[in-house]
Amino acid sequence: DTAVSQTPKYLVTQMGNDKSIKCEQNLGHDTMYWYKQDSKKFLKIMFSYNNKELIINETVPNRFSPKSPDKAHLNLHINSLELGDSAVYFCASSQGTGGNGYTFGSGTRLTVV
Amino acid sequence: AQKITQTQPGMFVQEKEAVTLDCTYDTSDPSYGLFWYKQPSSGEMIFLIYQGSYDQQNATEGRYSLNFQKARKSANLVISASQLGDSAMYFCAMRVLQGAQKLVFGQGTRLTINP
Repeated sequence: DTAVSQTPKYLVTQMGNDKSIKCEQNLGHDTMYWYKQDSKKFLKIMFSYNNKELIINETVPNRFSPKSPDKAHLNLHINSLELGDSAVYFCASSQGTGGNGYTFGSGTRLTVV
Repeated sequence: AQKITQTQPGMFVQEKEAVTLDCTYDTSDPSYGLFWYKQPSSGEMIFLIYQGSYDQQNATEGRYSLNFQKARKSANLVISASQLGDSAMYFCAMRVLQGAQKLVFGQGTRLTINP
C-alpha cells in the first residue's frame, strides 16, 4: 500500500559507475519530483515532471538524467558517479495545492566509494 | 525567489514541555503554502502540518500547531507536551502555488527531547 516507493533503499557503488534509482507512485498524482539531501541535511529540488513532461530542471550536472515513462513513474539515472554524488535522494509526488497532496518516498541513500 | 530560514540548528527540551521551532520565509508571490516535516533518524520525511497563505486560522493537527504571522512572514511550529519520540530533524518548507510547485526547504532544526 506504499504511496511513493523508491528502489533501492541503499546503494553503494564505485566512482565512475552508472546507476539508476526507480520511483513509483500509486496515488494518481500528475507531478513527480526528485530531491537531493546532502550530508548537512539540506534538501533541494533537482527535477520535476508533470504528466511525463519535464517542468523543473535545477542546475544539476548533465550526468543526472531523469526519465518518466508514464505519470506514475519517475526514474533517476546517474552516469559516471562521483564522490560528491553521495547523498539521500527522495522521490515525491503531488496533486493539487493542499498540504496533504505532497508525498515523499522513503529515500535512497547513495554512497559512492 | 523563495527562501526559508530556520535559525535554530539545534534545540534541547525537557519531556512534556512545549517547544516552538522558528521559521521565517520570503516570497513575493501572494499564493503559497507552508509545510512542516519531521525526519526521524530512520530518514523518512513525515508530513506534520500545512498552512495556506489565505487560510484565516492557524493550522492545528493534534499536538502540532502552526503559528502563522503573515505580516512578519513567520510560520513557527509549536509542539505541545513534547514526547521522547519527537526527537528528530524538523524542516519548514514553502510551496509557491503558481507554476512548477517545488518545495523550498529551510536548513532544518534538530530537536532533542530529554527525559
